[in-house]
Amino acid sequence: AQSVTQPDIHITVSEGASLELRCNYSYGATPYLFWYVQSPGQGLQLLLKYFSGDTLVQGIKGFEAEFKRSQSSFNLRKPSVHWSDAAEYFCAVGMFSGGYNKLIFGAGTRLAVHP
Amino acid sequence: DVKVTQSSRYLVKRTGEKVFLECVQDMDHENMFWYRQDPGLGLRLIYFSYDVKMKEKGDIPEGYSVSREKKERFSLILESASTNQTSMYLCASSLNSLGSTDTQYFGPGTRLTVL
Repeated sequence: AQSVTQPDIHITVSEGASLELRCNYSYGATPYLFWYVQSPGQGLQLLLKYFSGDTLVQGIKGFEAEFKRSQSSFNLRKPSVHWSDAAEYFCAVGMFSGGYNKLIFGAGTRLAVHP
Repeated sequence: DVKVTQSSRYLVKRTGEKVFLECVQDMDHENMFWYRQDPGLGLRLIYFSYDVKMKEKGDIPEGYSVSREKKERFSLILESASTNQTSMYLCASSLNSLGSTDTQYFGPGTRLTVL
């Protein structure tokens, strides 16, 4: 069955440290891939997306993600985390499922940043 | 910038009440979506619409209905609210008729509590 897995529910990092949030998916074809961020009490904001081409994509706020087809992964990275990055991060995969195209979301990873 | 607005940020209703959640987008997008967000479950698709007066069930449509009388407005209706519908509700829109694999833009969400 098609699914999206974010293995880490909570992650805590120190300000200035590097960050990697994991995302794995199960899908038979090449999917469309997205990372969204949700600040407390807010809706979701698109960080970056991958449709085709270069497998390393740059997004807003200094984030990047790399699509690895062999690992069915689309991990999000940032070299130096800022306190304002504390939020919940969602990986989403666009796929054909149940008779229509749709986005399937992971359960989210909540990021805390220590000063 | 795309703007998706939702009529209420917070809503408290009683069991059995009929509840309307309104969503408006200002970018002439074809597709509109309603999700509910629950801790540990990510976002789950309730209904979506790819054109005026058109609607499709998502993954969890039971207990909900929708209405799209105008292109910019998509309403979610809880016919008889129940406590298990207490949740955060997110509306989204996307541009073209390729379906929901296109980038989705989200509103700020409505946190609904059913007592």
